[in-house]
Amino acid sequence: DTEVTQTPKHLVMGMTNKKSLKCEQHMGHRAMYWYKQKAKKPPELMFVYSYEKLSINESVPSRFSPECPNSSLLNLHLHALQPEDSALYLCASTPRGPGDGEKLFFGSGTQLSVL
Amino acid sequence: GQQVMQIPQYQHVQEGEDFTTYCNSSTTLSNIQWYKQRPGGHPVFLIQLVKSGEVKKQKRLTFQFGEAKKNSSLHITATQTTDVGTYFCAGPVYNQGGKLIFGQGTELSVKP
Repeated sequence: DTEVTQTPKHLVMGMTNKKSLKCEQHMGHRAMYWYKQKAKKPPELMFVYSYEKLSINESVPSRFSPECPNSSLLNLHLHALQPEDSALYLCASTPRGPGDGEKLFFGSGTQLSVL
Repeated sequence: GQQVMQIPQYQHVQEGEDFTTYCNSSTTLSNIQWYKQRPGGHPVFLIQLVKSGEVKKQKRLTFQFGEAKKNSSLHITATQTTDVGTYFCAGPVYNQGGKLIFGQGTELSVKP
């Protein structure tokens, strides 16, 4: 299995809703990432988990809350989002902890629309 | 702060023409990676370059890493419609645990 699986593929939510994005990989990778990508822009790093511990938080607003229940799963909990948070949310993993030379395996993403 | 600039932003070519995208970093990079994102898709890793002056080929794609390890290029010979997408270069941010900084990407469209 060489895939990173993300669910749901599409999500529409209101500004008062609470929702969660899920990411799963069974490649034995030890680092998992959340990226945000706006249309026609590069991915922007949000969070990194290394060996199930949060190692990087790119000063992301608290309305985004990551969780790593185990080495295969990564969640992103969403609450009180703003319309400008609408974007493609990409999960990625790397075989070892984040470090130079580690190539990212991306999931297919969740296209999020906040109304 | 550290920056990775990528040009051009867009490139429209006739099928069969060549295509090149250029990536320039404000700092020396330990390595550089290239990703391709098809329309409506997700980034997919293409290659990593590590050595100064390194050149790697994948079929019609040629990747180069500059001697100073501050610039890189991706050249596609005789483009095909399957080459359509956005090509991103990405380099590690110095001393930040492997965080990657992406270039702005070059969107390639190919007219049959």
